[in-house]
Amino acid sequence: GAGVSQTPSNKVTEKGKYVELRCDPISGHTALYWYRQSLGQGPEFLIYFQGTGAADDSGLPNDRFFAVRPEGSVSTLKIQRTERGDSAVYLCASSLLGQYNEQFFGPGTRLTVL
Amino acid sequence: ELKVEQNPLFLSMQEGKNYTIYCNYSTTSDRLYWYRQDPGKSLESLFVLLSNGAVKQEGRLMASLDTKARLSTLHITAAVHDLSATYFCAGNTNAGKSTFGDGTTLTVKP
Repeated sequence: GAGVSQTPSNKVTEKGKYVELRCDPISGHTALYWYRQSLGQGPEFLIYFQGTGAADDSGLPNDRFFAVRPEGSVSTLKIQRTERGDSAVYLCASSLLGQYNEQFFGPGTRLTVL
Repeated sequence: ELKVEQNPLFLSMQEGKNYTIYCNYSTTSDRLYWYRQDPGKSLESLFVLLSNGAVKQEGRLMASLDTKARLSTLHITAAVHDLSATYFCAGNTNAGKSTFGDGTTLTVKP
């Protein structure tokens, strides 16, 4: 079946602009996660949804970052007033909650802020 | 707050040799994950370990978990070039949030 998909695959924007990154999880997966990965580092947790609600948003770095999942499926990560330090690969993952909670990752969106 | 430390960060090994990657974590973790990442690609789930003494094997890779020592290992047997990649471990302290190590970049040379 289809895996996690993310669009766009690449996004180049100018400092100060607004961007939206989209994630389509695996069908039926109740949990959805956003991570950010900088070059040479492991993914860094941003936010996690159970259904439509954000169960843990402790990883969002500041109030310029916001994410929604209005119907419990597709999620959008929104970044306002982008800064050069926001440049990274943004990864989305989904899982069926349970004992193993195995997370399946999408291909990521590479965001470059000029 | 959970912290995860991997070592080594870089590993160059010859084909046919064995080696172990270590993953230490700082506090209780409900699950321990191992992932593989190829350059420019996303993460592929390799193993999910739950309980003390858990051991899982897939091909030339074997992962184990010692919850008392807060240590997981990824053992590579008779390495082949196709295993060249970056390997991450991650702890998971509740249903959602995972904390990753910085990764071990493995290069297998002929």
